[in-house]
Amino acid sequence: DSGVTQTPKHLITATGQRVTLRCSPRSGDLSVYWYQQSLDQGLQFLIQYYNGEERAKGNILERFSAQQFPDLHSELNLSSLELGDSALYFCASSPTGKNTEAFFGQGTRLTVV
Amino acid sequence: GENVEQHPSTLSVQEGDSAVIKCTYSDSASNYFPWYKQELGKGPQLIIDIRSNVGEKKDQRIAVTLNKTAKHFSLHITETQPEDSAVYFCAASTGNQFYFGTGTSLTVIP
Repeated sequence: DSGVTQTPKHLITATGQRVTLRCSPRSGDLSVYWYQQSLDQGLQFLIQYYNGEERAKGNILERFSAQQFPDLHSELNLSSLELGDSALYFCASSPTGKNTEAFFGQGTRLTVV
Repeated sequence: GENVEQHPSTLSVQEGDSAVIKCTYSDSASNYFPWYKQELGKGPQLIIDIRSNVGEKKDQRIAVTLNKTAKHFSLHITETQPEDSAVYFCAASTGNQFYFGTGTSLTVIP
């Protein structure tokens, strides 16, 4: 168990809908990363937050947004969902977010039908 | 930005043999290189990492080597066991982001 908690584990929704994925980082970790992993694909970096502030942005679509709250949990919001958004979404946390170990949650499997 | 290439994409070895996975990176500013193991249906698990001021690091049957001049690093697993079967990802970090390789699916044949 990495100590990173993601909910829900599975999510099935229809095209055009909006969903929210939640991540609770390890105790004491200030940085949260979001990654997308499609079938047979690697880990695509979406966005990173550090202590409530956005620190780095990857290939995150405009339909996607995220935030980190004062209690350090993070949410990834996916809207106007398309079939191609079906994927595993992982959250990872690290103590400082600068060249320190990052620990992944178990992921949320999103299926858009 | 950083570009990490990983080879091979699939690897099959007999139980007890060694397995080697290689990665190259492009940005000389990268200074932290973790390796992750991902089992089916689970999140990536950090198994070993190395920083740019170190050339080699070992942890039991797992070792990682880094050649900063050539910009490549490798994962070595000795005395492989069936439970080592998984997808392995290398990554490089220049500071904030982790750039991942495309993964190596390792199968250890009993």
